[in-house]
Amino acid sequence: DTAVSQTPKYLVTQMGNDKSIKCEQNLGHDTMYWYKQDSKKFLKIMFSYNNKELIINETVPNRFSPKSPDKAHLNLHINSLELGDSAVYFCASSQDSDAIYEQYFGPGTRLTVT
Amino acid sequence: AQTVTQSQPEMSVQEAETVTLSCTYDTSESDYYLFWYKQPPSRQMILVIRQEAYKQQNATENRFSVNFQKAAKSFSLKISDSQLGDAAMYFCAYRLGGVADGLTFGKGTHLIIQP
Repeated sequence: DTAVSQTPKYLVTQMGNDKSIKCEQNLGHDTMYWYKQDSKKFLKIMFSYNNKELIINETVPNRFSPKSPDKAHLNLHINSLELGDSAVYFCASSQDSDAIYEQYFGPGTRLTVT
Repeated sequence: AQTVTQSQPEMSVQEAETVTLSCTYDTSESDYYLFWYKQPPSRQMILVIRQEAYKQQNATENRFSVNFQKAAKSFSLKISDSQLGDAAMYFCAYRLGGVADGLTFGKGTHLIIQP
């Protein structure tokens, strides 16, 4: 069974479009995250979401918005896509928000904006 | 803001040999955790080892061990008896304790295993 899954695995789209990436975890975890990995492999936290509390990295443009329909899902919506949004996006989850708990990562979604 | 520095963009080691990957971090906090993650070509992020800052004993997981020097803010990863399956990007990461925040990653070290 896949612990943290993401759909789609690959996404190619044009500038200006709006797209969503879905994330689901079946671990019963309370906290979920979104990370962005750029073309140089640098990983950066975008959002943390725990019990309806959203922590946003201040460098993330407001074109990006996470939406959580329930505890098992944290989807990423991106409006007005730009070339610089091309990256691999990872969803992760942990049992709780405290740092002691391991984060489990999804397989990543490679987004290409043309 | 906390920063994590990995000064070795790439390392190469012969199979069965030992290699050490370096990591330094900058923080003024006392409650934090340090991690090493492995990312093979499949791009899956895999936790290799974890160290709580309040523990003086270095963490060990089979062939993987760390050298945690808190005063020097250094957290190196030693891989013993290197295997071909160890070839991957290795990321050092930091997380502040007690807050709902994400991991702060270094830029990674690409580890090559020579057969």
